[in-house]
Amino acid sequence: QVLLQESGPGLLKPSETLSLTCTVSSDSISDYSWIWIRQSAGKGLEWIGRITDSGNTFYHPSLQSRAIMSLDITKRQFSLRLTSVTAADTAVYFCARSYSATKVENWGRGTLVTVSS
Amino acid sequence: EIVMTQSPATLSVSPGERATLSCRASQTVSSDLAWYQQKPGQAPSLLIYGASIRATGVPARFSGSGSGTEFTLTISSLQSEDFAVYYCQHYTNWPYSFGQGTKLEIK
Repeated sequence: QVLLQESGPGLLKPSETLSLTCTVSSDSISDYSWIWIRQSAGKGLEWIGRITDSGNTFYHPSLQSRAIMSLDITKRQFSLRLTSVTAADTAVYFCARSYSATKVENWGRGTLVTVSS
Repeated sequence: EIVMTQSPATLSVSPGERATLSCRASQTVSSDLAWYQQKPGQAPSLLIYGASIRATGVPARFSGSGSGTEFTLTISSLQSEDFAVYYCQHYTNWPYSFGQGTKLEIK
């Protein structure tokens, strides 16, 4: 059973950059798409983006100008950077995995990120 | 972006009874539709994909149906562990999106 674990700061100030890392415990990081999804009271569940095992990225149009995802196969990690955060970015951030880049088969436990001055 | 609308927002059902949850897409998503269950403090968990295919380990009391723009998740005989929030999600084109959820509560 694959395990995904998010890590990163839980509190940010407006205009700062959110940086999260997901560590994957599985036999292989290949053949999957690696995903970030967030959940807030205001917007519910929202796809942030996904990165394929070859490094191709797909971002939600509303976040495309601020989001960057990366993948480090040797460390079995993938990351999310979201620049210029505001209170609207306050949410629980989940990292996740999809074999087919469609439905999400595996999720991390989620990490709460709060943006407040 | 395709908008997914779930109804009702809250559904009160007694244990042992049937629950029917609906999901509507703002445009056709064919059968590219998944359902997830989320319990408090946990991540969502995949129940159904391809509109009607149960994910590994999902009990047979969960069934999905529909195609195009109208979808249904049915739980045939509610168990205590089934009371949770349920989300639909399309994956027909990017960006994928979730519905706002239906909370299934004990009547």
